[in-house]
Amino acid sequence: EAGVAQSPRYKIIEKRQSVAFWCNPISGHATLYWYQQILGQGPKLLIQFQNNGVVDDSQLPKDRFSAERLKGVDSTLKIQPAKLEDSAVYLCASSLYGGRDTEAFFGQGTRLTVV
Amino acid sequence: GDSVTQMEGPVTLSEEAFLTINCTYTATGYPSLFWYVQYPGEGLQLLLKATKADDKGSNKGFEATYRKETTSFHLEKGSVQVSDSAVYFCALYSGAGSYQLTFGKGTKLSVIP
Repeated sequence: EAGVAQSPRYKIIEKRQSVAFWCNPISGHATLYWYQQILGQGPKLLIQFQNNGVVDDSQLPKDRFSAERLKGVDSTLKIQPAKLEDSAVYLCASSLYGGRDTEAFFGQGTRLTVV
Repeated sequence: GDSVTQMEGPVTLSEEAFLTINCTYTATGYPSLFWYVQYPGEGLQLLLKATKADDKGSNKGFEATYRKETTSFHLEKGSVQVSDSAVYFCALYSGAGSYQLTFGKGTKLSVIP
C-alpha cells in the first residue's frame, strides 16, 4: 500500500515570505496530523483533522499558520509570513481513526529552512 | 500535561552489544505507549506499542514493557546490528481529552561494526 506522500521534500525561503506544504494521506485514513519537528526535539502536533473537520489545533500559531483538508483527503499547511524560528521538518501523518490504539503512519517530511 | 522523557543521546554501541534506551512518562489516565524509529532519510515508523499495564510490545528483536508503577517504557534489544542505527522516539497517547501523540526528544543510536 502506498504511504503518506509529502511535497516538497526541501524548501528554503526568506523570512516574511510564505510557503505551503502538501500531504496526501494513506487511502481510507480518516485522521490526518501535521507535526513540527525542530532539530533535536521530538515532533510536536500542530493540527489534527478527522475527515475534513479540525479535532485539535491548540498548538497551531494561528496568526501565521493555517491548514485545510479538502474533501477529507489531501491537506495543505501554509505559513505566512515565515519567521526564522519556523525552520523545522514538517511531518504529515495519517491513521485509520484517531483512537488511542491506532497506528499513525508518517510521511518523509518537508525540511523548511528560513533565512 | 502529558510528557515523555527519554535518555539523552547520542548512544554509540558495538555490534552485538545490549541496548537499553530509557523512557519515562507523565500522563493523565492510562496512556498507550509507543516506540517509533526514524532511519536515516526515512519517515517515522512504528516499532512497537503497548496499550495497558504489564503489556510487552516487541518487534524486530526489540522489546519494551509497560510499567505503570514506575511510569516507564524502556526499549531493549539483546544484540544490536549496524542496521539498527537510527533515532528512536518514545511516545504516548493518553486519550484523556487529548487527541495527540506526545513524543520524547529522541535518542540517536549509532552501531559500529
